Amino acid sequence: QGQLVQSGAEVKKPGSSVRVSCKASGFPFAEYRIHWVRQAPGQGLEWMGWISPNDGGTNYAQKFQDRVTMTLDTSITTVYLDLNRLISDDTAIYYCARENWFFDYWGQGTPVTASS
Amino acid sequence: DIVMTQSPDSLAVSLGERATISCKSSQSVLYAPNNKNLLAWYQQKPGQPPKLLIYWASTRYSGVPDRFSGSGSGTDFSLTISSLQAEDVAVYYCQQYYDFPRAFGQGTKVEI
Repeated sequence: QGQLVQSGAEVKKPGSSVRVSCKASGFPFAEYRIHWVRQAPGQGLEWMGWISPNDGGTNYAQKFQDRVTMTLDTSITTVYLDLNRLISDDTAIYYCARENWFFDYWGQGTPVTASS
Repeated sequence: DIVMTQSPDSLAVSLGERATISCKSSQSVLYAPNNKNLLAWYQQKPGQPPKLLIYWASTRYSGVPDRFSGSGSGTDFSLTISSLQAEDVAVYYCQQYYDFPRAFGQGTKVEI
């Protein structure tokens, strides 16, 4: 059974950067794109983009184009989300999810708080 | 961009009664090469990540009780819980996987 396990909660100052990791196991890492979705407190789900472990290709939502970077380390089957120049509105739970057309596996979520 | 709109925003249903949620997409999500609708439904309980319930608009995911069913085609879809159980209290989201950016509906909160 596949699994995605994310790194722990983060508290950051506005203007700084955050890195969230997502370790995949139980399925062929290179065969499935990994997406990032965030959820602000009390709000809905917002898609941020994907990375392909096959070739490192990425596709970011236009809203995040200039602030987000998704990378991966195939040796440890882990993908990373870097979000720069944090603002208070970036306070949210960040989820990684496996794409199998739809999102069938989700990480447990990583709370990120951007506050002075 | 495809916009997904759910209705209602919230729904109160008695135990054992039927709950129906509507989801409309701003353009068709019917994928011609396989004649399938690229529409999924997720359930999210407080403090948990979303869980996949339905994909291809009407196919139940592994382990999902058969009281959950999805229907619709093109731009109009619905999720039905045939007999609401206490454990079904959650927020439900539809999502299109036809195009980028991937888009979710705003969510429908189901309560008892």
